Amino acid sequence: GDSVTQMEGPVTLSEEAFLTINCTYTATGYPSLFWYVQYPGEGLQLLLKATKADDKGSNKGFEATYRKETTSFHLEKGSVQVSDSAVYFCALSSAQGGSEKLVFGKGTKLTVNP
Amino acid sequence: DAGVIQSPRHEVTEMGQEVTLRCKLISGHNSLFWYRQTMMRGLELLIYFNNNVPIDDSGMPEDRFSAKMPNASFSTLKIQPSEPRDSAVYFCASSLGGPGTDTQYFGPGTRLTVL
Repeated sequence: GDSVTQMEGPVTLSEEAFLTINCTYTATGYPSLFWYVQYPGEGLQLLLKATKADDKGSNKGFEATYRKETTSFHLEKGSVQVSDSAVYFCALSSAQGGSEKLVFGKGTKLTVNP
Repeated sequence: DAGVIQSPRHEVTEMGQEVTLRCKLISGHNSLFWYRQTMMRGLELLIYFNNNVPIDDSGMPEDRFSAKMPNASFSTLKIQPSEPRDSAVYFCASSLGGPGTDTQYFGPGTRLTVL
């Protein structure tokens, strides 16, 4: 079945450091790919998405490029802030019965220190 | 527009009691998803509906769990009887539904503690 593998956490960085969180996927067909973020005590929020190969999703300084050849969708940010501390989930869409569900990775906890 | 609304936000109950969690979808959305999140197991999809019809309930832990959509905008997740291992944060999410409309919008969650 469809699956997502993302790097194990936790990840701890200093403010203004460069961030990469790796995500690879296995899927039939051509899924959409997502990054969701969960701040402490809150639900998941969509951070960015890409719907086809070579698309780049971006939001709030975060970027990820849909790489079909390496089945990857790595999340990057050039300069992290303390407010970026959260858990980040990679996900793909999986069609079933005429509708779609999301398959999530296990999440990567990011802590940014001042 | 209001986002996905869940109630209650926190629930503390004793083992053996019935628990009902509620979710209101975003207006116009046709798909509804129930998730459970724990430290040990991470985020798990329990069940999802499209146009009020359950599509996949393979994630429902056991017969103690049941979910319904009595109308197009509202859903309940019931646990009867509850057990301490059911303690978790339960999220619902909604989406427009159908191919190409896969972005899900999550509610704030219900934190359930079963003593």
